[in-house]
Parts: sequence; structure tokens; C-alpha cells
Amino acid sequence: QVHLQESGPGLVKPSGTLSLTCAVSGGSISSRNWWSWVRQSPGKGLEWIGEMYHSGKTNYNPSLKSRVTISMDLSKNQFSLNMNSVTAADTAVYFCARIVGAIYYFDQWGQGTLVTVSS
Amino acid sequence: QSILTQPPSVSGAPGQRVTISCTGTSSNIGAGYEVHWYQQLPGTAPKVLIYAIKNRPSGVPDRFSGSKSGTSASLAITGLQAEDEADYYCQSYDSSLSGVVFGGGTKLTVL
Repeated sequence: QVHLQESGPGLVKPSGTLSLTCAVSGGSISSRNWWSWVRQSPGKGLEWIGEMYHSGKTNYNPSLKSRVTISMDLSKNQFSLNMNSVTAADTAVYFCARIVGAIYYFDQWGQGTLVTVSS
Repeated sequence: QSILTQPPSVSGAPGQRVTISCTGTSSNIGAGYEVHWYQQLPGTAPKVLIYAIKNRPSGVPDRFSGSKSGTSASLAITGLQAEDEADYYCQSYDSSLSGVVFGGGTKLTVL
């Protein structure tokens, strides 16, 4: 069973950069799956941020694309999210998740980590 | 505003049947992209309930079923139980956005 675990600062200052890492265990990020970030603002629905394949290909939500970078460290079996120029609107629980490649659904999720943007 | 439209809330008494709709467009559900459903209990990560319209992962009771017609999909829950009280989300792929899209979520209340 694949396990995903998010880590990173829980508090980020406005205009700063949000950086999170997702450690994957029980499976390889070089498998035929996409690795993704999803967020959920307090009391709101799910918002897809973006995804990455081990080949290096990435796809991003057009509404966030200018501020977001997803990267991978194959040697550490982890992937990361960087989001710059954050505002209070970026306060959310951030989930990392695995997308089953062929059918394109999220089959494994991390527990989520709350990131608050505040001075 | 979500690309996929779900009712904000539905409710039903224990034992009853409820359905949750997910309405898309010709660039997502109507284009033939798969539809998936997730259940999110309070304070937890979403969990896949139905994938590729009507398939249940191992461990998901057969009280949950999915269907699709045209640009819409539905999740049906029969024999409603108190533990089904949760938020439910549909998800698909959108060719115009070239990415994943979610419905706005539906809160199920078991009366």
C-alpha cells in the first residue's frame, strides 16, 4: 500500500513562497502514475493545483500556473510544491495524491497539511 | 465556481436512497472523459468511492453506485446509513483546461 506524507511550514507570510514536500513510501514515484497536489480552502471544495510525471512532464491549473512549480526528487522518492506570491486566499489544507495513470483518478492521498498565510 | 456542478446538499433518512448529480459540459463529461466520485469525512482526506463512472474499489459497499448520461453523472447511495454523512465530490478531466476538474461538493445529511 502506497503511503503519502506531506511536510512543510504551516505558516507563510503574505507575498512569500509556500513550499511543501510529499514523501512517498511503499511504491515508486517512477511508476506509471501522475503525482499531484490538491488543496481545500477552509469550508470549501477541492481544487486541483497540478501534477507531475516521472519523465518531467507537468500540468498545472491555469488559474495557478503562473505561481506554481511542481518538482520531483527521484532519488528521495518525493515530490514538491512551490507556490510564490501567496496571499490569504492561499490558506488551505494541501493534499498530495497519486493519480492512476490510465484512468486518471486519485487513488491514494496524503493526510493533508494546513498552510496558513498570515503576517 | 466549479466546472462540474453538484447540488450543495442532499439529505435522506436511514434506509432511504439518495442520488447526487454532477453536471459537466462537452469538454469534460460530455467528451467521454471518465467520472470519479470521492467521499470526504470531516477532517480527513478524500477517499475514492467510484472510479470510471461505475467501478467500486475493494472495500466500498455495493450500496454505492455510479452512472453517466450525456454531460452528467450520478452517484446513488441506497440503504442510507449514519456513517454515510459526509461530503461527496465528482471529478473528471477537462480538455479546455487540460487538467483535472472537481465538482463543488455535496454535503449529505442523514436525517
